[in-house]
Amino acid sequence: IVMTQTPLSLSVTPGQPASISCKSSQSLLHSDGETYLYWYLQKPGQPPQLLIYEVSNRFSGVPDRFSGSGSGTDFTLKISRVEAEDVGVYYCMQSIRLPYTFGQGTKLEIK
Amino acid sequence: QVQLVQSGAEVKKPGASVKVSCKASGYTFTRYYIHWVRQAPGQGLEWMGIIDPSGGSPTYAQKFQVRVTMSRDTSTSTVYMEMSSLRSEDTAVYYCARSIAAAGSPDNWGQGTLVTVSS
Repeated sequence: IVMTQTPLSLSVTPGQPASISCKSSQSLLHSDGETYLYWYLQKPGQPPQLLIYEVSNRFSGVPDRFSGSGSGTDFTLKISRVEAEDVGVYYCMQSIRLPYTFGQGTKLEIK
Repeated sequence: QVQLVQSGAEVKKPGASVKVSCKASGYTFTRYYIHWVRQAPGQGLEWMGIIDPSGGSPTYAQKFQVRVTMSRDTSTSTVYMEMSSLRSEDTAVYYCARSIAAAGSPDNWGQGTLVTVSS
């Protein structure tokens, strides 16, 4: 399954919103009713950290300015008010079908 | 607290093998799957495979099926990833990460192990 993210980079003023799109080449809706789409943030020099699981569920400790939405093949990660600590590369990932695959990444910079 | 601690950086010559370890602590080792993901310099994330520490055969991405072997040692709560016939394109940071289910999201990651393949 090919995961396509847009944009590949964005520059955002602190306090402003940001949005990242992720489209999959096949539906990520499983017959069990779950949708296996996740969002990660990789800060510079660190391993990825889980932000959102199964489309819209924030992982423990993730600020509520992060939200995920979507269904089927189209998904979006939104940051309501970007902060300086949000810089890094954002990846979507699917785990409905082997091999699990990631999007190319979206680099977020602060203006 | 949950920790996945990986072995240190390696430098290998083309054609050699490398074995990276991932030692788990802070949770019940056999209750979580371990994924391996790699990241070439300046590139994105590439999923390599998954192993169930409680038993069963690992599952590999087809690209890695021939050259990669994942194994576990429950006595030390450690998972291993061995890659053979290394080439320069295998230069990357290799991460282990755990998930509660095979198709679940890796929620805790190791610090990464840089493997450099160079003559």
